[in-house]
Amino acid sequence: EVQLAESGGGLIQSGGSLRLSCAASGFIVSSNYMIWVRQAPGKGLEWVAVIYSGGSTYSADSVQGRFSISRDNSKNTLYLQMNSLRAEDTAVYYCASPVSSDAFDIWGQGTMVTVSS
Amino acid sequence: DIQMTQSPSTLSASVGDRVTITCRASHDISSWLAWYQQKPGKAPKLLISKTSNLESGVPSRFSGSGSGTEFTLTISSLQSDDFATYYCQQYNTYLFTFGPGTKVDIK
Repeated sequence: EVQLAESGGGLIQSGGSLRLSCAASGFIVSSNYMIWVRQAPGKGLEWVAVIYSGGSTYSADSVQGRFSISRDNSKNTLYLQMNSLRAEDTAVYYCASPVSSDAFDIWGQGTMVTVSS
Repeated sequence: DIQMTQSPSTLSASVGDRVTITCRASHDISSWLAWYQQKPGKAPKLLISKTSNLESGVPSRFSGSGSGTEFTLTISSLQSDDFATYYCQQYNTYLFTFGPGTKVDIK
């Protein structure tokens, strides 16, 4: 079965760091591009970062210089390293990938990150 | 950067109603527009890709149209399972911008 499973969320103090993981099964992460998306409580969806199959990465202005996306092909896992966390980074973080479509048809269940000030 | 807008932000409707949601892009995104449905506490679900391609398993009452900068999602006959929030997303550029969402609730 094709699926994604995020982990690593939790409660962290402002200024701290956290690494989120997104384990894939049923497909190879390095063969697709993958994104992180977040959703603050009661708010809409915000794209955070992307990694392409060739390894190129891009991130949203709101997290530029603080967050970085990467993957471990041997573990078939995507990561989001989050540094210098702020209260406004509090959100559910989802990973997603286009597997059977050209848009994002596979999503994880999400992991909650709470940054306390 | 490409900005996405949606209208209306909230839509109150009854079962059986025809519902139309509009999504506008600040720049031409060709047909690289997707629609997602999200229910509380759940991940988004892809309904339509590339403006009008209905994803496998999605009921045929959902349809999408448009091109360039203006797009629509139509639900031909609203069902109880369709009360949710709908987001458009452009994927013409790597910024993958989402619209702010349209909440469809019960009238």
